[in-house]
Amino acid sequence: SAVISQKPSRDICQRGTSLTIQCQVDSQVTMMFWYRQQPGQSLTLIATANQGSEATYESGFVIDKFPISRPNLTFSTLTVSNMSPEDSSIYLCSVEDLMNEQFFGPGTRLTVL
Amino acid sequence: QKEVEQNSGPLSVPEGAIASLNCTYSDRGSQSFFWYRQYSGKSPELIMSIYSNGDKEDGRFTAQLNKASQYVSLLIRDSQPSDSATYLCAVNAGRRALTFGSGTRLQVQP
Repeated sequence: SAVISQKPSRDICQRGTSLTIQCQVDSQVTMMFWYRQQPGQSLTLIATANQGSEATYESGFVIDKFPISRPNLTFSTLTVSNMSPEDSSIYLCSVEDLMNEQFFGPGTRLTVL
Repeated sequence: QKEVEQNSGPLSVPEGAIASLNCTYSDRGSQSFFWYRQYSGKSPELIMSIYSNGDKEDGRFTAQLNKASQYVSLLIRDSQPSDSATYLCAVNAGRRALTFGSGTRLQVQP
């Protein structure tokens, strides 16, 4: 499976600021996704990162709050904008392989004070 | 009704026993089914995928799928303390992204 890295691995941020999370894959992939895992909960899809076009957001998530870039087939960023304590979560990127199986990066643990 | 349902547990089994984890889903159009293992503080790790009715075995793990009953399960034979984790059931209903259940916490007692 592809090797996926995320930066930063964790961060503590102040309310009202923004954080950009990077996801890098060691091979070209068609499908990349961003998920959120709030404390003690399961994973919720934020959006599908589309290469060369705007991301596709799930209900409850908007581009102004979670802008996503996908400049090529190995890289994507997720920005968490104007953060509040409710945004404290683990943010995970995932990629889909040719067998339609998804693999996750190590995650970014975000704490908003 | 949640799209993917799992018993949150904890499910406690003695070492060496069979652990049985269950999952039901609501979308009859679901095509692909996955089991992930997540250790505390780590990201989910894919352990099994299953696409057609019946059983699929991989080492100590067996996934079972029954599309008529909208039910998928994971059996772990000869459970080890290292199997203690949260097991997430995920379903793909044809839209590529996965819908996850809330997870079942498994505790294997030495």
